[in-house]
Amino acid sequence: KQEVTQIPAALSVPEGENLVLNCSFTDSAIYNLQWFRQDPGKGLTSLLLIQSSQREQTSGRLNASLDKSSGRSTLYIAASQPGDSATYLCATYNTDKLIFGTGTRLQVFP
Amino acid sequence: KAGVTQTPRYLIKTRGQQVTLSCSPISGHRSVSWYQQTPGQGLQFLFEYFSETQRNKGNFPGRFSGRQFSNSRSEMNVSTLELGDSALYLCASTPWGGSNEQFFGPGTRLTVL
Repeated sequence: KQEVTQIPAALSVPEGENLVLNCSFTDSAIYNLQWFRQDPGKGLTSLLLIQSSQREQTSGRLNASLDKSSGRSTLYIAASQPGDSATYLCATYNTDKLIFGTGTRLQVFP
Repeated sequence: KAGVTQTPRYLIKTRGQQVTLSCSPISGHRSVSWYQQTPGQGLQFLFEYFSETQRNKGNFPGRFSGRQFSNSRSEMNVSTLELGDSALYLCASTPWGGSNEQFFGPGTRLTVL
């Protein structure tokens, strides 16, 4: 049974810092891995999707990497801004559904 | 292209009642999945529909059911509501084939009193 863990659970940083959010999973037989952002009380916004055959994906200030052999993915946020404050969730897609991690709550203060 | 839409956005019900939530996927998407999000359990998979057929189901009691129509719109129904059913219900749509990337709607916030 797939288990997805995210560390840290919460993070508070000053504006401008570069951040690394971690996601680990127990079953490496994943089809893809997706990173999401969720603002309080809102739905999920897809940030990046990494196919199982890929090592990383980039979008603007975001870079996500995937190492299936070690069961890890990282989301790198460059030059953080207050608008980046949200909960970040990773999810693996195995055979039939997304399995979500518990999320990292990020606060970026001016 | 319009995103995933969910109606209603907010619902307040009392224990024992039933509720129906609706989800309209992105145009051209044929797969719709439903998830429940609670502070205690996080995001959990409910079920997935593709071409009007339920393909997968999560570990939820039979009070939770769903269906999909020929236009890919989906509904989920919860009968005999319990306090623990209070949650944010999220719907996601996926295009046919490709990466299986899932696109989420804004959710329906259900409160059971």
